[in-house]
Amino acid sequence: GAVVSQHPSRVICKSGTSVKIECRSLDFQATTMFWYRQFPKQSLMLMATSNEGSKATYEQGVEKDKFLINHASLTLSTLTVTSAHPEDSSFYICSARYRDYEQYFGPGTRLTVT
Amino acid sequence: GQNIDQPTEMTATEGAIVQINCTYQTSGFNGLFWYQQHAGEAPTFLSYNVLDGLEEKGRFSSFLSRSKGYSYLLLKELQMKDSASYLCAVLDSNYQLIWGAGTKLIIKP
Repeated sequence: GAVVSQHPSRVICKSGTSVKIECRSLDFQATTMFWYRQFPKQSLMLMATSNEGSKATYEQGVEKDKFLINHASLTLSTLTVTSAHPEDSSFYICSARYRDYEQYFGPGTRLTVT
Repeated sequence: GQNIDQPTEMTATEGAIVQINCTYQTSGFNGLFWYQQHAGEAPTFLSYNVLDGLEEKGRFSSFLSRSKGYSYLLLKELQMKDSASYLCAVLDSNYQLIWGAGTKLIIKP
């Protein structure tokens, strides 16, 4: 149990375009999901906390108009990187809260902006 | 401020035992997690400690001392596939996960 999927696993896009990443909890309902970013050889950086049916809570320094988060159902949250630039290239990972505050992670999405 | 410290890198030999330490200073405490992360992959859950003591799960054990703000992850009978980063994370009083920078474990034959 507690499986989280993420799609796509890899995406390459041109500068100025937008990219949508989906995060799904496959066998449980997640009222809370999290979006992280990780640059090479660095630790996870929490970008935002997504609660079903309400607006996401963004961490300090994360532009909410650039990183749009939608948690429309108990099993799906999406992250849209708008007007992507090369500096947005990173490994984006979602996680879903599963009982007693355990977090299970999706496999991640490697975004490359050219 | 909130702080989690763990060694940056450790090296051990296949078949041996290694202990990865984690010390923390956080605003409140609602549990400590250990995750394993292989290069290029997302973290996977290893253990959760909220009470003092040792939790054993196969080759991996995790220990917690709340009074000392200290935890360790013990890996026995090391295998090459255990080469990965090991992340310590604490759930603070707001139920937010505070992450350590991770310990890169290198296993040598």
